[in-house]
Amino acid sequence: KNEVEQSPQNLTAQEGEFITINCSYSVGISALHWLQQHPGGGIVSLFMLSSGKKKHGRLIATINIQEKHSSLHITASHPRDSAVYICAAFTNTGNQFYFGTGTSLTVIP
Amino acid sequence: DAGITQSPRYKITETGRQVTLMCHQTWSHSYMFWYRQDLGHGLRLIYYSAAADITDKGEVPDGYVVSRSKTENFPLTLESATRSQTSVYFCASSEPGGGQTQYFGPGTRLLVL
Repeated sequence: KNEVEQSPQNLTAQEGEFITINCSYSVGISALHWLQQHPGGGIVSLFMLSSGKKKHGRLIATINIQEKHSSLHITASHPRDSAVYICAAFTNTGNQFYFGTGTSLTVIP
Repeated sequence: DAGITQSPRYKITETGRQVTLMCHQTWSHSYMFWYRQDLGHGLRLIYYSAAADITDKGEVPDGYVVSRSKTENFPLTLESATRSQTSVYFCASSEPGGGQTQYFGPGTRLLVL
């Protein structure tokens, strides 16, 4: 069983749709990260969360510590949002990152 | 150039050969990491380093060696490459502190024949 599970694995949306990607984790964490991997392979960090909610442009990330669950929302999706989104949990013991296998998002014009 | 770079970007080698992947960052970040990314597994931590001369194993360290003689460099060596080490390797760096934002290099695609 993976320490971090994401759903869905693949997601296709029409431009303009509201998108939600889910992440559940089984380890104790001090921080939860959302990463974006572009089609060319590069990885960038979108958010780091330890509680509550963060917003950056059309992206919103939330976390529920008690339920060990985080969501990434994209409002008014655009084809340039097409990428793989990766959830990563940083444990509160052992200095370890555990990564989900990613959600591949395709936004169709 | 500022940032984090990896070299080579692509490498083809044969089973049994030694291969070294280089990682260089210009931010003086104390933490550096090596990951491999494989289909179906996501990113997995190979080794990390909290500072120069301090390294520690991650989830999948077998068959790999690291060193960190200078803060800015964190080379990863495959001592005797195996086909199962065919993967995309990412280096990352971050400030100290629990789970700080990581900055990733562009990756190295390694094929072991």
